[in-house]
Amino acid sequence: AQSVSQHNHHVILSEAASLELGCNYSYGGTVNLFWYVQYPGQHLQLLLKYFSGDPLVKGIKGFEAEFIKSKFSFNLRKPSVQWSDTAEYFCAVNARDSSYKLIFGSGTRLLVRP
Amino acid sequence: GAGVSQSPRYKVAKRGQDVALRCDPISGHVSLFWYQQALGQGPEFLTYFQNEAQLDKSGLPSDRFFAERPEGSVSTLKIQRTQQEDSAVYLCASSPNQGYQAFFGPGTRLTVL
Repeated sequence: AQSVSQHNHHVILSEAASLELGCNYSYGGTVNLFWYVQYPGQHLQLLLKYFSGDPLVKGIKGFEAEFIKSKFSFNLRKPSVQWSDTAEYFCAVNARDSSYKLIFGSGTRLLVRP
Repeated sequence: GAGVSQSPRYKVAKRGQDVALRCDPISGHVSLFWYQQALGQGPEFLTYFQNEAQLDKSGLPSDRFFAERPEGSVSTLKIQRTQQEDSAVYLCASSPNQGYQAFFGPGTRLTVL
């Protein structure tokens, strides 16, 4: 069965600090990978996605993620966070052969202090 | 509005009551999904529709849960004889294709007392 692990449940950073959120998945086949963000009081929004090609994916608002197949990882990074990045971040995967079903991690709550 | 809408946004039910949660997907989206998000957890898949056909209901936790999408647009998730463990946020999402990019609604927060 597929699973997704996000090891950091809560992260607190000051503005301008660099961010890296870990995501590891468990699945033996080919996957698509996603990061979703949920800002306070808002719904889940897609931040970025990886299907194939360049393993370094750039998303909205300066976020990027790198797919490392050998490590089953898809970590999210941002060089310099802003107060407005305060949100909950979810990593998700789906298998290419059942691409409708997203498997989510438990999420990481990020608090950026001004 | 262009996004997925859900109603009601909040629902309080007494244990044993039946509830119905509505989802209006983005117009023209073929695929529709329901997820359940318990407090402090990520969303968990419940069921998937392609047009009016329910192709996967493997995530529904019990036979008290029932979902339908009779005309291939609006969907309803019904929970019969609600239990306290049903308390969660129920998320609906839609996609123009097979879930490669799902657009989520704001969710319905269900509290069962």
